Amino acid sequence: GENVEQHPSTLSVQEGDSAVIKCTYSDSASNYFPWYKQELGKGPQLIIDIRSNVGEKKDQRIAVTLNKTAKHFSLHITETQPEDSAVYFCAGTSGYALNFGKGTSLLVTP
Amino acid sequence: GAVVSQHPSRVICKSGTSVKIECRSLDFQATTMFWYRQFPKQSLMLMATSNEGSKATYEQGVEKDKFLINHASLTLSTLTVTSAHPEDSSFYICSANHPRQSSSNQPQHFGDGTRLSIL
Repeated sequence: GENVEQHPSTLSVQEGDSAVIKCTYSDSASNYFPWYKQELGKGPQLIIDIRSNVGEKKDQRIAVTLNKTAKHFSLHITETQPEDSAVYFCAGTSGYALNFGKGTSLLVTP
Repeated sequence: GAVVSQHPSRVICKSGTSVKIECRSLDFQATTMFWYRQFPKQSLMLMATSNEGSKATYEQGVEKDKFLINHASLTLSTLTVTSAHPEDSSFYICSANHPRQSSSNQPQHFGDGTRLSIL
């Protein structure tokens, strides 16, 4: 089955800096890659997703890039704010069931 | 706003009790819902796929007799943890694919989870 690896496990940046989280996947059939933000005690919230026919997608301060050849995709957050502090999960799938990475705990310090 | 509602948000009960958790899709029909379990500081682990009108599909290692899933309508799936024990204490989260387009890769939206604590 699909194996999604996520790095780093923790990331600390200063407010205003950029943050980058990277994921790799093993199943070449995977064609959908969402990113989720999870705040303490809450369920994951979808923040952006990308399909395999697209190389990059941007939504305000958040962007995702996908390299199908290398089987990796990344989340980029620019101009980080303290409220961006949370755990971020990448996932991949070729169907319905999502395979999650282990998560990245992002801390944005003022 | 929320597209998936989960209830209750927290349950504390004695060992041996059965606990039911509800997952509702709001303003859309979900033929498929998913149940995940998340231990502290870990990722989400898929437990089972809930299919409306048919039996749930369980992941390897998940006891179907312990975690009963019922998906009797297009907007409601329930997970019942039978005879719960302390090791079943965890954060249980459901999700549903929100129909954005006619594709299997529909965005999956999550409920806010249920914190289950078995004493």
